[in-house]
Amino acid sequence: EVQLVESGGGLVQPGGSLRLSCAASGFTFSSYWMHWVRQAPGKGLVWVSRINTDGSNTIYADSVKGRFTISRDNAKNTLYLQMNSLRAEDTAVYFCVRDKPIDYWGQGTLVAVSS
Amino acid sequence: QTVVTQEPSLTVSPGGTVTLTCASSTGAVTSTFYPNWVQQKPGQAPRPLIYSTSDKHSWTPARFSGSLLGGKAALTLSGVQPEDEAEYYCLLYYGSSWVFGGGTKLTVL
Repeated sequence: EVQLVESGGGLVQPGGSLRLSCAASGFTFSSYWMHWVRQAPGKGLVWVSRINTDGSNTIYADSVKGRFTISRDNAKNTLYLQMNSLRAEDTAVYFCVRDKPIDYWGQGTLVAVSS
Repeated sequence: QTVVTQEPSLTVSPGGTVTLTCASSTGAVTSTFYPNWVQQKPGQAPRPLIYSTSDKHSWTPARFSGSLLGGKAALTLSGVQPEDEAEYYCLLYYGSSWVFGGGTKLTVL
Protein backbone atom coordinates (compact mmCIF):
# COMPACT_ATOMS: atom_id res chain seq x y z
CA GLU A 1 0.00 0.00 0.00
CA VAL A 2 1.36 3.40 -1.00
CA GLN A 3 1.81 5.68 2.00
CA LEU A 4 3.11 9.23 2.28
CA VAL A 5 3.44 10.58 5.81
CA GLU A 6 4.42 14.19 6.36
CA SER A 7 5.99 15.48 9.57
CA GLY A 8 7.89 18.45 10.89
CA GLY A 9 5.14 21.04 10.95
CA GLY A 10 4.51 23.33 13.87
CA LEU A 11 4.44 26.91 15.09
CA VAL A 12 7.35 29.12 14.04
CA GLN A 13 7.99 32.85 14.29
CA PRO A 14 8.21 35.05 11.19
CA GLY A 15 11.70 34.87 9.76
CA GLY A 16 12.26 31.43 11.22
CA SER A 17 13.00 28.10 9.56
CA LEU A 18 11.42 24.67 9.48
CA ARG A 19 12.18 21.42 7.69
CA LEU A 20 9.33 19.21 6.60
CA SER A 21 9.77 15.51 5.90
CA CYS A 22 7.66 13.08 3.92
CA ALA A 23 8.26 9.39 4.59
CA ALA A 24 7.32 7.22 1.64
CA SER A 25 6.52 3.51 1.72
CA GLY A 26 4.79 0.87 -0.36
CA PHE A 27 6.51 1.80 -3.63
CA THR A 28 9.96 2.33 -5.15
CA PHE A 29 10.48 5.91 -3.98
CA SER A 30 13.55 6.50 -6.15
CA SER A 31 11.51 5.95 -9.32
CA TYR A 32 9.04 8.77 -8.79
CA TRP A 33 9.13 12.53 -9.09
CA MET A 34 7.62 14.25 -6.05
CA HIS A 35 5.86 17.52 -5.25
CA TRP A 36 4.98 19.70 -2.30
CA VAL A 37 1.58 21.40 -2.36
CA ARG A 38 0.13 23.65 0.32
CA GLN A 39 -3.28 24.87 1.42
CA ALA A 40 -3.85 27.85 3.67
CA PRO A 41 -6.76 27.50 6.11
CA GLY A 42 -10.03 27.79 4.20
CA LYS A 43 -8.25 28.48 0.93
CA GLY A 44 -7.40 26.62 -2.25
CA LEU A 45 -4.51 24.38 -3.22
CA VAL A 46 -1.21 25.98 -4.19
CA TRP A 47 1.63 24.16 -5.88
CA VAL A 48 4.98 24.76 -4.14
CA SER A 49 7.77 22.68 -5.63
CA ARG A 50 8.73 19.54 -7.58
CA ILE A 51 11.84 17.34 -7.67
CA ASN A 52 12.89 14.67 -10.13
CA THR A 53 13.96 11.15 -9.23
CA ASP A 54 17.61 11.79 -8.36
CA GLY A 55 17.21 15.34 -7.09
CA SER A 56 19.11 16.92 -9.97
CA ASN A 57 16.14 18.93 -11.25
CA THR A 58 13.94 21.10 -9.04
CA ILE A 59 11.36 23.80 -9.73
CA TYR A 60 9.58 26.24 -7.42
CA ALA A 61 6.61 28.57 -7.29
CA ASP A 62 7.68 32.21 -7.48
CA SER A 63 6.26 32.80 -3.99
CA VAL A 64 8.82 30.48 -2.38
CA LYS A 65 11.77 30.70 -4.78
CA GLY A 66 14.97 31.52 -2.93
CA ARG A 67 13.44 30.69 0.48
CA PHE A 68 12.40 27.03 0.16
CA THR A 69 14.52 24.07 -0.93
CA ILE A 70 13.15 20.70 -1.95
CA SER A 71 15.39 17.66 -1.63
CA ARG A 72 15.23 13.91 -1.22
CA ASP A 73 17.14 11.00 0.27
CA ASN A 74 16.34 7.94 -1.81
CA ALA A 75 18.22 5.68 0.61
CA LYS A 76 15.85 6.79 3.38
CA ASN A 77 12.75 6.98 1.15
CA THR A 78 12.20 10.52 2.34
CA LEU A 79 11.29 13.82 0.71
CA TYR A 80 12.17 17.12 2.39
CA LEU A 81 11.19 20.76 2.23
CA GLN A 82 13.55 23.20 3.91
CA MET A 83 11.68 26.43 4.57
CA ASN A 84 13.62 29.57 5.50
CA SER A 85 12.63 33.20 6.02
CA LEU A 86 9.10 32.11 6.80
CA ARG A 87 6.26 34.60 6.49
CA ALA A 88 2.73 34.69 7.85
CA GLU A 89 1.45 33.89 4.36
CA ASP A 90 3.33 30.58 4.42
CA THR A 91 0.86 29.35 7.05
CA ALA A 92 -0.77 26.27 5.52
CA VAL A 93 -1.12 22.52 5.51
CA TYR A 94 1.72 21.11 3.42
CA PHE A 95 1.11 17.95 1.40
CA CYS A 96 3.64 15.74 -0.33
CA VAL A 97 2.42 14.26 -3.60
CA ARG A 98 3.70 11.50 -5.86
CA ASP A 99 4.05 12.26 -9.57
CA LYS A 100 4.12 10.62 -13.00
CA PRO A 101 1.26 10.68 -12.88
CA ILE A 102 0.15 12.81 -9.93
CA ASP A 103 -1.66 10.24 -7.84
CA TYR A 104 -1.02 9.68 -4.13
CA TRP A 105 -1.17 12.47 -1.55
CA GLY A 106 -0.17 12.46 2.09
CA GLN A 107 -2.50 13.71 4.82
CA GLY A 108 -0.48 16.89 5.30
CA THR A 109 1.35 18.67 8.10
CA LEU A 110 0.35 22.09 9.44
CA VAL A 111 2.81 24.95 9.44
CA ALA A 112 1.78 28.06 11.36
CA VAL A 113 3.90 31.20 11.09
CA SER A 114 3.03 33.67 13.82
CA SER A 115 4.62 35.75 16.55
CA GLN B 1 1.91 35.82 -13.18
CA THR B 2 0.01 32.88 -14.63
CA VAL B 3 -3.59 32.52 -13.52
CA VAL B 4 -5.74 29.42 -13.89
CA THR B 5 -9.46 30.15 -13.74
CA GLN B 6 -12.30 27.87 -12.74
CA GLU B 7 -15.98 28.54 -12.05
CA PRO B 8 -16.23 29.48 -8.35
CA SER B 9 -19.37 27.45 -7.84
CA LEU B 10 -21.82 25.23 -9.71
CA THR B 11 -25.02 23.50 -8.68
CA VAL B 12 -26.35 20.28 -10.19
CA SER B 13 -29.30 18.01 -9.44
CA PRO B 14 -28.74 14.36 -8.52
CA GLY B 15 -28.56 12.29 -11.71
CA GLY B 16 -27.72 15.31 -13.80
CA THR B 17 -24.68 16.22 -15.82
CA VAL B 18 -22.31 19.10 -15.18
CA THR B 19 -19.11 20.32 -16.80
CA LEU B 20 -16.40 22.18 -14.91
CA THR B 21 -13.82 24.12 -16.91
CA CYS B 22 -10.25 25.28 -16.42
CA ALA B 23 -8.81 28.20 -18.37
CA SER B 24 -5.26 29.54 -18.59
CA SER B 25 -4.34 33.21 -18.68
CA THR B 26 -1.64 32.33 -21.24
CA GLY B 27 -4.12 31.16 -23.86
CA ALA B 28 -5.70 27.91 -24.95
CA VAL B 29 -5.16 24.86 -22.77
CA THR B 30 -3.76 21.93 -24.74
CA SER B 31 -2.62 18.42 -23.89
CA THR B 32 0.90 19.76 -23.27
CA PHE B 33 -0.43 21.32 -20.07
CA TYR B 34 -1.13 17.79 -18.81
CA PRO B 35 -4.40 18.87 -17.14
CA ASN B 36 -5.09 17.17 -13.83
CA TRP B 37 -8.28 17.24 -11.79
CA VAL B 38 -8.50 16.56 -8.06
CA GLN B 39 -11.48 16.35 -5.72
CA GLN B 40 -11.39 17.54 -2.14
CA LYS B 41 -14.03 17.07 0.52
CA PRO B 42 -14.00 19.04 3.79
CA GLY B 43 -11.37 17.86 6.21
CA GLN B 44 -9.84 15.40 3.74
CA ALA B 45 -6.73 15.32 1.62
CA PRO B 46 -7.29 15.89 -2.10
CA ARG B 47 -8.05 12.82 -4.20
CA PRO B 48 -6.84 12.84 -7.81
CA LEU B 49 -9.43 11.96 -10.45
CA ILE B 50 -7.95 12.72 -13.88
CA TYR B 51 -4.44 13.17 -15.28
CA SER B 52 -3.04 14.03 -18.72
CA THR B 53 -6.35 15.56 -19.82
CA SER B 54 -8.51 12.44 -19.78
CA ASP B 55 -6.73 9.50 -18.14
CA LYS B 56 -8.42 8.06 -15.07
CA HIS B 57 -6.90 6.55 -11.97
CA SER B 58 -7.95 3.07 -10.95
CA TRP B 59 -10.23 4.55 -8.28
CA THR B 60 -11.92 7.15 -10.48
CA PRO B 61 -15.64 6.44 -10.94
CA ALA B 62 -16.72 5.97 -14.57
CA ARG B 63 -19.08 8.96 -14.34
CA PHE B 64 -16.07 11.32 -14.28
CA SER B 65 -14.42 12.20 -17.59
CA GLY B 66 -11.83 14.74 -18.70
CA SER B 67 -11.44 16.52 -22.02
CA LEU B 68 -10.42 19.70 -23.82
CA LEU B 69 -13.32 21.96 -24.67
CA GLY B 70 -13.16 25.30 -26.42
CA GLY B 71 -9.57 26.01 -25.39
CA LYS B 72 -10.08 24.90 -21.81
CA ALA B 73 -9.63 21.72 -19.85
CA ALA B 74 -12.94 20.25 -18.77
CA LEU B 75 -14.20 17.78 -16.20
CA THR B 76 -17.64 16.30 -16.87
CA LEU B 77 -19.69 14.44 -14.30
CA SER B 78 -22.51 12.37 -15.77
CA GLY B 79 -25.16 10.92 -13.49
CA VAL B 80 -24.09 13.01 -10.51
CA GLN B 81 -24.32 11.38 -7.09
CA PRO B 82 -24.83 13.15 -3.75
CA GLU B 83 -21.33 12.11 -2.71
CA ASP B 84 -19.89 14.13 -5.59
CA GLU B 85 -20.53 17.32 -3.65
CA ALA B 86 -17.01 18.65 -3.12
CA GLU B 87 -14.41 21.18 -4.22
CA TYR B 88 -12.74 20.40 -7.54
CA TYR B 89 -9.35 21.78 -8.56
CA CYS B 90 -7.60 21.66 -11.90
CA LEU B 91 -3.82 21.69 -12.17
CA LEU B 92 -1.84 22.74 -15.25
CA TYR B 93 1.83 22.28 -16.16
CA TYR B 94 3.79 25.28 -17.48
CA GLY B 95 7.25 23.77 -17.93
CA SER B 96 8.94 25.53 -15.03
CA SER B 97 5.97 25.38 -12.70
CA TRP B 98 2.57 23.86 -12.05
CA VAL B 99 -0.43 26.05 -11.22
CA PHE B 100 -3.71 25.13 -9.56
CA GLY B 101 -6.98 26.77 -10.42
CA GLY B 102 -8.92 28.47 -7.66
CA GLY B 103 -11.33 25.56 -7.35
CA THR B 104 -15.01 24.96 -8.14
CA LYS B 105 -17.38 24.24 -5.30
CA LEU B 106 -19.90 21.74 -6.65
CA THR B 107 -23.22 21.56 -4.85
CA VAL B 108 -25.56 18.63 -5.47
CA LEU B 109 -29.09 19.79 -4.79
